[in-house]
Amino acid sequence: SQQGEEDPQALSIQEGENATMNCSYKTSINNLQWYRQNSGRGLVHLILIRSNEREKHSGRLRVTLDTSKKSSSLLITASRAADTASYFCATDAAGANSKLTFGKGITLSVRP
Amino acid sequence: EAQVTQNPRYLITVTGKKLTVTCSQNMNHEYMSWYRQDPGLGLRQIYYSMNVEVTDKGDVPEGYKVSRKEKRNFPLILESPSPNQTSLYFCASSAWGLAVYEQYFGPGTRLTVT
Repeated sequence: SQQGEEDPQALSIQEGENATMNCSYKTSINNLQWYRQNSGRGLVHLILIRSNEREKHSGRLRVTLDTSKKSSSLLITASRAADTASYFCATDAAGANSKLTFGKGITLSVRP
Repeated sequence: EAQVTQNPRYLITVTGKKLTVTCSQNMNHEYMSWYRQDPGLGLRQIYYSMNVEVTDKGDVPEGYKVSRKEKRNFPLILESPSPNQTSLYFCASSAWGLAVYEQYFGPGTRLTVT
């Protein structure tokens, strides 16, 4: 079964609004990562948060991690049409043999 | 420019005809991995390698082989492709130090097996 599961599966917002995406996972992790994919292209790494971190920022991105709830959220502030893409969370499970497990992804549509 | 390259980008083949998809990275990364992406299933890891001559199975290794003879290259081999291996394949690489870090992805190889 998937280690990371994103929620919602799809999200449609107006340009300028904030987008919040959630990820839940099942086992202890070394780190959790968020990626973006534009229409069938290769994934692009957005941000990595370690298990001992609670919040991280990168430009308009804010990621939080709650290890007690085994969940993470990705916030994109002041969204733009160019943010339209699929977003994936990926977890590096602690103690596992260095496998990075991806969720099924969230489709974000930002309307101009 | 730091990059992961894959070849070919598109491939149509017939059942049973052996094929190899090449992957190369120029970042001196220890960790390399192959994923397949299918609609509704997300990315699933096929095989990964933590260094030269060290490979291990991911979640969906059946029907695939890999080798890591050089640090920069990590080819994916389909000995006898079948239609259920029709998919979009990605190679990725990253630094590794008891954890998997930021992955750099190749552009993808779209494979169709008829």
